[in-house]
Amino acid sequence: ETGVTQTPRHLVMGMTNKKSLKCEQHLGHNAMYWYKQSAKKPLELMFVYSLEERVENNSVPSRFSPECPNSSHLFLHLHTLQPEDSALYLCASSQDRRFSGYYEQYFGPGTRLTVT
Amino acid sequence: TQLLEQSPQFLSIQEGENLTVYCNSSSVFSSLQWYRQEPGEGPVLLVTVVTGGEVKKLKRLTFQFGDARKDSSLHITAAQPGDTGLYLCAGADPNNAGNMLTFGGGTRLMVKP
Repeated sequence: ETGVTQTPRHLVMGMTNKKSLKCEQHLGHNAMYWYKQSAKKPLELMFVYSLEERVENNSVPSRFSPECPNSSHLFLHLHTLQPEDSALYLCASSQDRRFSGYYEQYFGPGTRLTVT
Repeated sequence: TQLLEQSPQFLSIQEGENLTVYCNSSSVFSSLQWYRQEPGEGPVLLVTVVTGGEVKKLKRLTFQFGDARKDSSLHITAAQPGDTGLYLCAGADPNNAGNMLTFGGGTRLMVKP
């Protein structure tokens, strides 16, 4: 595997379900991100982890819970979601900006989530 | 809060035509990236520009960073159907030591054969 991978690619869940999205990066990066992409809206940053420590949380509802067990893996745990949470969830990775003059984010293919 | 505005939002052209997409802000960025995203996939990084006035070429795509590092443009020569997709620009805040990028709203390009 190369780059950034995400599983599953598609997920349909009921409002009472609990599910998890998984992301894995094979680029040797030390920062990972979750984004939400809805139709007709710019990319929304949800969470940032650098060196496995959460450094940004943009007021995301508590029904979304991230987990970063190591620098290569990132999870997004979902529970009691709402239909408006249906979107493409993208994972990205980069080098931490503190260790590089500029940094580039590399994205996975995304998980298309539908909440019914 | 930094903002990036992209224009146009939508563009539909015939194969062989040229086009330019713009990414503008009132804020200065330390670097700016351009991505292309196809339906059902994640954004793919095309280029990063860092120096004011910098021009980078990627085959038929020409990227320019404004002298003041507040704006950027993407010019495509002789567009092909394979260029169809959502083009996103994203800038890094020089005053924020964190790892956040500010994304523009995107330009959705359709190239008809």
